[in-house]
Amino acid sequence: GIQVEQSPPDLILQEGANSTLRCNFSDSVNNLQWFHQNPWGQLINLFYIPSGTKQNGRLSATTVATERYSLLYISSSQTTDSGVYFCAATTSYGNKLVFGAGTILRVKS
Amino acid sequence: KAGVTQTPRYLIKTRGQQVTLSCSPISGHRSVSWYQQTPGQGLQFLFEYFSETQRNKGNFPGRFSGRQFSNSRSEMNVSTLELGDSALYLCASSYQGGRDSPLHFGNGTRLTVT
Repeated sequence: GIQVEQSPPDLILQEGANSTLRCNFSDSVNNLQWFHQNPWGQLINLFYIPSGTKQNGRLSATTVATERYSLLYISSSQTTDSGVYFCAATTSYGNKLVFGAGTILRVKS
Repeated sequence: KAGVTQTPRYLIKTRGQQVTLSCSPISGHRSVSWYQQTPGQGLQFLFEYFSETQRNKGNFPGRFSGRQFSNSRSEMNVSTLELGDSALYLCASSYQGGRDSPLHFGNGTRLTVT
């Protein structure tokens, strides 16, 4: 099955800083999603982005399917951005969404 | 629109017991997926139901089972609980399934097995 790797595993930012999280996948994907898990365990869908670029406020994501990676950009970070960011992917022949191990983000005030 | 609802939020069980978790998807969503989250293994796929049929299954023992009702609500059952089953169990709903449409997660059920 598809392998999903995320980097960096941990990231500490000062409030107001920008960051880029990366997701590499081992095969062509037809589905790539980014999620944020807050400190209370709730998983929120940020983007459904099998290809191209999308923006939502301070967050944006880009998936380059031909090169097998996706990037999540966080600008002007806030303490509420803290938590774990997951990407998940599946292939056109796959039957389940496979999650990466996540990036733990801590934003300090 | 109401989100995905999971009940109960917390459970404490003893080894050998069984447990049933419930999930109500977003209205109009026909797919319900279940995931187990542990610090060591991360998010692992358990199974997916679509229109009352199990469409996909992860690599978990037969003690883990589920079903989906005609109103798309889903239940997950774990029999003969083991200490290693302690985890956060997350349910996600989507319109067509996690492979083809965005997943939306509930708040999870935190199961502790003693």
